[in-house]
Formats: sequence, structure tokens, C-alpha cells
Amino acid sequence: AQSVAQPEDQVNVAEGNPLTVKCTYSVSGNPYLFWYVQYPNRGLQFLLKYITGDNLVKGSYGFEAEFNKSQTSFHLKKPSALVSDSALYFCATSTAGKGNDMRFGAGTRLTVKP
Amino acid sequence: DTAVSQTPKYLVTQMGNDKSIKCEQNLGHDTMYWYKQDSKKFLKIMFSYNNKELIINETVPNRFSPKSPDKAHLNLHINSLELGDSAVYFCASARSGGANVLTFGAGSRLTVL
Repeated sequence: AQSVAQPEDQVNVAEGNPLTVKCTYSVSGNPYLFWYVQYPNRGLQFLLKYITGDNLVKGSYGFEAEFNKSQTSFHLKKPSALVSDSALYFCATSTAGKGNDMRFGAGTRLTVKP
Repeated sequence: DTAVSQTPKYLVTQMGNDKSIKCEQNLGHDTMYWYKQDSKKFLKIMFSYNNKELIINETVPNRFSPKSPDKAHLNLHINSLELGDSAVYFCASARSGGANVLTFGAGSRLTVL
């Protein structure tokens, strides 16, 4: 069964510094990988996805993620963090087929301090 | 016009009661889901339906019964509510296919007293 892991419960960065939120995956075959963000009292919002092709994927709000097959990782990055980036971030993976079975990691709370 | 709408947004009820949460999507998607988010923010899939057919049915107590009257609606009925059912329940929808993005509703916060 496919799964993703987020090894950090919490990431703290200063505004203007680069940020990284880590994700590793365990998937048989070619993985479909996603990042979502959840702001307080809201549903999850899609940021970006990797299906195939270029290992560096660019998404919403200046975020990007790098797919690394040898390390089975899909870390989320941003060159310069904003206070408004503070939120809960979820990595996810899904399988092909009509079930579109999407499984989420445990989430990482990102706090960006002014 | 909300893409995935859930009602009610908040639900406070006593143990042992039966309650329902409704979900509707206007995106033309053919797959709908229920996820449960617990107090630690862990997000767990409960059910998914594709064109009214139950596809995913995780290890969920049979007190939880999803119903999909058509592919735009997926409701969740919970019988004999327990304290541990307190959580935020999210509905989501997507076009079928593993690479497709889920669109989430705003969530329904259930509190069982």
C-alpha cells in the first residue's frame, strides 16, 4: 500500500528565510505526489503535484517541490518565507484507477516568525 | 458559488444520538470522499464513491453509513454517536484517475458530549 511520511511535526523559520517541509514516500510503481495546505478552520487547498517529468515542480504561492527518486522524497520548498505561509502542510500520494485513493501524511505545522 | 459545500458546519450533540452530514459538489466530478480529521490533525480516509459506487471503505465502524444519491452528493450518517466520533469531517471530490486533485469542503466540526 502506498504511504507518505512527514518526519517533522513542526517547522519554524524566520520571515525571509528559505523553508523546507519534508516528505518521504513509499509507493510501488510510479508515484503520484501532492502537497496541500490547510489554514485554520478551513479545508485543504492544493499547492502542487508531481506526476512525471521534471523533478522540480512549481506550484501556488511561490512554493515548489523536488521529486528525488533515489531518496524517495518530495520536499516542499520556498525561497523566502512569509508570515502568511504559517499553516498546516500535508504531503499526499494517490494511486491510479477509479478509486483515486489519496492518502495523507500526518501533517507539518509551519510557523513563520516576523 | 462554493465548489464543495458541507452542511452543517458545526454540530453539537449528545452521545447515543444519530446525525447526518451532507455534501454537495458542483464541479462535475465523479468521485467523492469523506475524510476524518482528529484532534491531532491527522487526516484519515473513510469512504470514497465513484459514480455512486462505493470504492473505498476503510476500517470504519458500521455506525457510519455513507449514501450517494447521485454523483454530486455524498452524505454521511452516523448512528449511536460516541465521544470518539468528535472530529472534523471533510468532504472532497475529484475526477477519477490517480493524478487528479481533490477539492475539499470547509469541514463539519462534530462535537459529541
